[in-house]
Amino acid sequence: GENVEQHPSTLSVQEGDSAVIKCTYSDSASNYFPWYKQELGKGPQLIIDIRSNVGEKKDQRIAVTLNKTAKHFSLHITETQPEDSAVYFCAASPAGGTSYGKLTFGQGTILTVHP
Amino acid sequence: DAGVIQSPRHEVTEMGQEVTLRCKPISGHNSLFWYRQTMMRGLELLIYFNNNVPIDDSGMPEDRFSAKMPNASFSTLKIQPSEPRDSAVYFCASNLGQGVEAFFGQGTRLTVV
Repeated sequence: GENVEQHPSTLSVQEGDSAVIKCTYSDSASNYFPWYKQELGKGPQLIIDIRSNVGEKKDQRIAVTLNKTAKHFSLHITETQPEDSAVYFCAASPAGGTSYGKLTFGQGTILTVHP
Repeated sequence: DAGVIQSPRHEVTEMGQEVTLRCKPISGHNSLFWYRQTMMRGLELLIYFNNNVPIDDSGMPEDRFSAKMPNASFSTLKIQPSEPRDSAVYFCASNLGQGVEAFFGQGTRLTVV
């Protein structure tokens, strides 16, 4: 099955700095890669996603890049703000068959943005 | 839509008791997933359904765990008998299938003492 590795496990930055979180996956059949943000006491919430036919996607301060050859993808947050502090998860979803959109998650990154 | 609705939000039970967690997916979504979140193991997929049919339950840890989806708007995850190591946050999620956003509920925090 799919295996997703995520690094770093914790990340501390100053407000205004950039933050980068990296993930690798094992199943070359995976073709959908979402990123979720989880705040304390809440469920994970999608912040951005990318599909395998795209190398990069940007939404305001958040961007995701995908390298299918190397099987890795990254989340970039620019101009970080204290409200960006949360746990971030990457995930991968296989194509076709009976996957029906199931997600395999990375271990999570605790991001702390200091004012 | 109110999103994915889970109940209860918190559950404290004694070891050996039966626990039932409930989930109402977003209307129109045809896939439903049960995840368990712990510090040690992160977010693990337990079981998922498509059109109310269980597709893959290989993540269910033991026979003590069972899940049902009697109709498109309701699913349950049951643990019988419960054990302290079952303590975790259990999430339900739903989506329209492959390659689209999965929406998560707020989770049920289960504590087995």
